[in-house]
Amino acid sequence: NAGVTQTPKFQVLKTGQSMTLQCAQDMNHEYMSWYRQDPGMGLRLIHYSVGAGITDQGEVPNGYNVSRSTTEDFPLRLLSAAPSQTSVYFCASREDRVGGQPQHFGDGTRLSIL
Amino acid sequence: SQQGEEDPQALSIQEGENATMNCSYKTSINNLQWYRQNSGRGLVHLILIRSNEREKHSGRLRVTLDTSKKSSSLLITASRAADTASYFCATVFGGATNKLIFGTGTLLAVQP
Repeated sequence: NAGVTQTPKFQVLKTGQSMTLQCAQDMNHEYMSWYRQDPGMGLRLIHYSVGAGITDQGEVPNGYNVSRSTTEDFPLRLLSAAPSQTSVYFCASREDRVGGQPQHFGDGTRLSIL
Repeated sequence: SQQGEEDPQALSIQEGENATMNCSYKTSINNLQWYRQNSGRGLVHLILIRSNEREKHSGRLRVTLDTSKKSSSLLITASRAADTASYFCATVFGGATNKLIFGTGTLLAVQP
């Protein structure tokens, strides 16, 4: 199994551009989530999903959209990129909805907004 | 913010020594988890301790949980250079069981 796969690994955008960060998992996990990691801030939850068709906001959702049309995929969309969104983005999944199981992380997407 | 806070922020030790990292959190939890992150990589789950547990072991790792003090500690015994990484605690809160909220992490450097 590949686990959690994120693409691309690196991306440079100009302010105002849009893009989609891809995340796919092959473990048939119900729960998927997106985090951003900034120096000194740890990981902050952006959005999460407890199953296909269900999404909800995390700690820092502004400027980001998500959808969950299938169990496997959970893309993160930046509609109009801003320099404050320069960060490392991690996607994670876990088997259960309620948080009693560990999360599996992808290797991240390093995003720079100029 | 509901996130936990790790202490110390950075720790440097010699190979063979023990490393202890602490985590404090603010509200009642369902469980607390520890993760490791090697430089440039994603996070890897180490251990999960539930709110009704006080201590858990996994290999060279020992985790304790004191819900009365809202704190946890991670002990790595007989450390190795390969243990060099950032370590994060994360909590699932009783009122929001879907969310796993992370602390800011401890950077551990093990000198050979």
